[in-house]
Amino acid sequence: GNSVTQMEGPVTLSEEAFLTINCTYTATGYPSLFWYVQYPGEGLQLLLKATKADDKGSNKGFEATYRKETTSFHLEKGSVQVSDSAVYFCALVTGTASKLTFGTGTRLQVML
Amino acid sequence: ETGVTQTPRHLVMGMTNKKSLKCEQHLGHNAMYWYKQSAKKPLELMFVYSLEERVENNSVPSRFSPECPNSSHLFLHLHTLQPEDSALYLCASSQEEGSYGYTFGSGTRLTVV
Repeated sequence: GNSVTQMEGPVTLSEEAFLTINCTYTATGYPSLFWYVQYPGEGLQLLLKATKADDKGSNKGFEATYRKETTSFHLEKGSVQVSDSAVYFCALVTGTASKLTFGTGTRLQVML
Repeated sequence: ETGVTQTPRHLVMGMTNKKSLKCEQHLGHNAMYWYKQSAKKPLELMFVYSLEERVENNSVPSRFSPECPNSSHLFLHLHTLQPEDSALYLCASSQEEGSYGYTFGSGTRLTVV
């Protein structure tokens, strides 16, 4: 079956620090990979996605590269801001089945 | 506004009450979902509807009853809930092809007293 493993949080950083949130997966077939973000009191928003190996998804300064050889999709940002404080979810879907498999989420706290 | 609208945003109900959560999307999506998000727990998929038919029910107690009258609307009917049912209930929709991902609503924060 499909599964997603994320690093446990919370991750606490100072503003302008470099961010990495690790995500690895197991999947049958060739998955599409996603990062979702949930700001306090809100639902999940799609942050970025990659649909095939070596694709790089990017949005709002965040990037993640689909690494088939290491089955990973790590989220990175060069300089975080306080407004990036949120919970980040890695997710995947395979084939035509439209059910997403989520990781447990990683809370990011950015301090001034 | 994400394209998926959930109402109400907040709901407080007693254990003997009956209430309904509503979800609406006009994105042309064919699949809709209910998720439960509790504090310090992973997202729990509750129900999946595809083309208005329920295709998955993840062992959800019968006090939660979904309804999908058309491809744009999804309801979650609640009755005789327990305090442990207090959570954020998220609705999402997607096209049938999973590679587009999901669009989520902002959720309904439910408190059972």
